[in-house]
Amino acid sequence: GNSVTQMEGPVTLSEEAFLTINCTYTATGYPSLFWYVQYPGEGLQLLLKATKADDKGSNKGFEATYRKETTSFHLEKGSVQVSDSAVYFCALANSGYSTLTFGKGTMLLVSP
Amino acid sequence: GAVVSQHPSWVICKSGTSVKIECRSLDFQATTMFWYRQFPKQSLMLMATSNEGSKATYEQGVEKDKFLINHASLTLSTLTVTSAHPEDSSFYICSARDSWAADNQPQHFGDGTRLSIL
Repeated sequence: GNSVTQMEGPVTLSEEAFLTINCTYTATGYPSLFWYVQYPGEGLQLLLKATKADDKGSNKGFEATYRKETTSFHLEKGSVQVSDSAVYFCALANSGYSTLTFGKGTMLLVSP
Repeated sequence: GAVVSQHPSWVICKSGTSVKIECRSLDFQATTMFWYRQFPKQSLMLMATSNEGSKATYEQGVEKDKFLINHASLTLSTLTVTSAHPEDSSFYICSARDSWAADNQPQHFGDGTRLSIL
């Protein structure tokens, strides 16, 4: 079956630091990969996605590259802000299917 | 962009009552909607897949009679927690897929409903 493994948090950084949140997956076929962000008390928002190998998803300064050879989709940002503090979820969906498989989420705390 | 509205955002009620949560796709049609449950500091657990005009598909371990799902139109799905008890307290989130979107397009999530049973 499908599974997503994320690094455990919380990840605590100072403003303007470099961010990496690791995500690896196990899936059959060629899944699409997603990063979602959840701010306190809110639902999930799609942050970025990649649908095939070597695709790079990017949004709001965040990036992630679909690496099929390492089955990874690590999230990076060059300079984090306090407003980036949230929980980040890595997820996958098989092509042709709708069900998302989520990782456990990684909390990011950014201090001024 | 695609918007999913979930209502109410917060509900507190007494043990034994039933609570209905609505999930609406505001600017697209959603043949399929999903209901998730999230415990504090944990990931989302898929409860059921809701299909317009047919019975929902429940995940293993989810009580069908406890969590009633109705998807009567292409823009509305409801989750009713029947005879709610404190252990049902949780954050419930719905999502929807645009019926006309390609298979690799993402789901759109509502803002969630925080349910507290006293």
